[in-house]
Amino acid sequence: NAGVTQTPKFQVLKTGQSMTLQCAQDMNHNSMYWYRQDPGMGLRLIYYSASEGTTDKGEVPNGYNVSRLNKREFSLRLESAAPSQTSVYFCASSERLGNLLTGELFFGEGSRLTVL
Amino acid sequence: SQQGEEDPQALSIQEGENATMNCSYKTSINNLQWYRQNSGRGLVHLILIRSNEREKHSGRLRVTLDTSKKSSSLLITASRAADTASYFCATDGGTYKYIFGTGTRLKVLA
Repeated sequence: NAGVTQTPKFQVLKTGQSMTLQCAQDMNHNSMYWYRQDPGMGLRLIYYSASEGTTDKGEVPNGYNVSRLNKREFSLRLESAAPSQTSVYFCASSERLGNLLTGELFFGEGSRLTVL
Repeated sequence: SQQGEEDPQALSIQEGENATMNCSYKTSINNLQWYRQNSGRGLVHLILIRSNEREKHSGRLRVTLDTSKKSSSLLITASRAADTASYFCATDGGTYKYIFGTGTRLKVLA
């Protein structure tokens, strides 16, 4: 049972470098999410995709772009990394019925990103 | 700003005691969920309560929801050392997305 798989698990970047975090889920969920977690801040929503072909901004979208490649995959791109983007990034997915979220979020194990 | 705020931020109790944490939120919701996060791991779903429910149980967990006060509480009975973790509430805010609170760090001493 893979669930939600994120890659890479760890990454160190220099300021100004770009990178893409990959996320894939095998539960046939409609909705996918990217969160970041900083000490003392809880989880903050960066972007989400309610269904294949749609993406929307969350609480902290600046400096990020996303792509919902297909129903399984949702990637997060940092075009020009900054030290403020040092964080742990979590991808999650959930089922949706109509306009309502019907159940729990399933999380990946996280990607730990350090920007020097 | 975050939708939910947990209280207290940190809680330390002895094994066998009950642990209570609270969550307050700002907008109307369809459901509220509680998650657990062990250090260095992803979040794991514990329980979901819908806006038309007032109380829900799952094993040693009891969740209450008061939509008039926009608040929820999570009670863990007979705590064990293995319950040591951070606990988060999440609300859907009536939209497609879930917003999390800042979490309560629970430490259960053996």
